[in-house]
Amino acid sequence: DADVTQTPRNRITKTGKRIMLECSQTKGHDRMYWYRQDPGLGLRLIYYSFDVKDINKGEISDGYSVSRQAQAKFSLSLESAIPNQTALYFCATSDHPTAQFFGPGTRLTVL
Amino acid sequence: EDKVVQSPLSLVVHEGDTVTLNCSYEVTNFRSLLWYKQEKKAPTFLFMLTSSGIEKKSGRLSSILDKKELFSILNITATQTGDSAVYLCAVAGREYGQNFVFGPGTRLSVLP
Repeated sequence: DADVTQTPRNRITKTGKRIMLECSQTKGHDRMYWYRQDPGLGLRLIYYSFDVKDINKGEISDGYSVSRQAQAKFSLSLESAIPNQTALYFCATSDHPTAQFFGPGTRLTVL
Repeated sequence: EDKVVQSPLSLVVHEGDTVTLNCSYEVTNFRSLLWYKQEKKAPTFLFMLTSSGIEKKSGRLSSILDKKELFSILNITATQTGDSAVYLCAVAGREYGQNFVFGPGTRLSVLP
């Protein structure tokens, strides 16, 4: 079984819809992250959480919100999706001071 | 502002060639530098470097960090078509926060 899982893997939606992307991990890591990846821009941090009661904005948090429901679960919401949120979204986990481990990604298309 | 720069952004070589990928950085309270390989899926971890001058090696891949000059290189010897991927460099900074800042990646294409 994969250590970091993301659902859904692909999603097509319309402008204005609310979308939730979910991430679960079995690595036992405290730290979880959401990134988006766009061609030519690399990975950009949206939100991160260092434990269940800790939520922090990343460099591009506008238009997104997150919820850390448990140590193993970290979900990302788009309250009202817009086309420029079309991207590949990755969840990652880490346990200080190790490297990050990534989920398989969610490809989101907003029409 | 924390920043990671990678060069070249794109590289095309033939099987058997040796390549060197570069990563330079500016980050507050440097903790570690990481290299990832990304094919058509999620990035996979290659190396984590925390000390200058100590080479990390895995098969045909090796990497070294220079904390004085703020850069790292990733070497791949005897390249194979399976090495074709985007190679990402990331830096972890801010001792408490340990945020990861990623570079744009180097796209390596290895031709048969």
